[in-house]
Amino acid sequence: SQTIHQWPATLVQPVGSPLSLECTVEGTSNPNLYWYRQAAGRGLQLLFYSVGIGQISSEVPQNLSASRPQDRQFILSSKKLLLSDSGFYLCAWSAQGRGRLGNQPQHFGDGTRLSIL
Amino acid sequence: AQSVSQHNHHVILSEAASLELGCNYSYGGTVNLFWYVQYPGQHLQLLLKYFSGDPLVKGIKGFEAEFIKSKFSFNLRKPSVQWSDTAEYFCAVSGNAGNMLTFGGGTRLMVKP
Repeated sequence: SQTIHQWPATLVQPVGSPLSLECTVEGTSNPNLYWYRQAAGRGLQLLFYSVGIGQISSEVPQNLSASRPQDRQFILSSKKLLLSDSGFYLCAWSAQGRGRLGNQPQHFGDGTRLSIL
Repeated sequence: AQSVSQHNHHVILSEAASLELGCNYSYGGTVNLFWYVQYPGQHLQLLLKYFSGDPLVKGIKGFEAEFIKSKFSFNLRKPSVQWSDTAEYFCAVSGNAGNMLTFGGGTRLMVKP
């Protein structure tokens, strides 16, 4: 069966420090991968998605970047964290759909709570 | 651009009460609709989904949702809630342009025993 792992679960970082959050998927190949930020009362905001190795699309301009060095690995990074980067970050994967696009449900990791001091 | 509205941010019900959570979306094309649930301390998980066919879809744990195209709605229902249904519920939409989900703001449901 497929599993998704996200770490760390919690992270406290000072302003200006770098960030690296990692997400890996097991049990499937060539998944679509996603990074979201979840804010209370605002649902989930899609930050990045990837349909393949080295292919990253950014949905919103921000202080973060994403990379996909391997098929089932998705990394969220920042060179210098801002206070506004605090939040709950979720990684998700979905299968590459056949036929009609957009019909594959997404499966979420447990999330990383990031606090910037 | 797609958008999803969940008008009830917080809902408090007693056990055995009926539940209906509203979800309205804005999108000009064919949509795929989802409800996700996040139980306390757990990750988001799929509750049910609609792609095509019967507009009344049934999901896990006795939940169902009805797609009403003319109202751009996909409301979630359950005839009789249980304390274990306490969770946050998210409606989401994707269009045929890709598999990117647009989420609503979520509804926090508390069921009192």
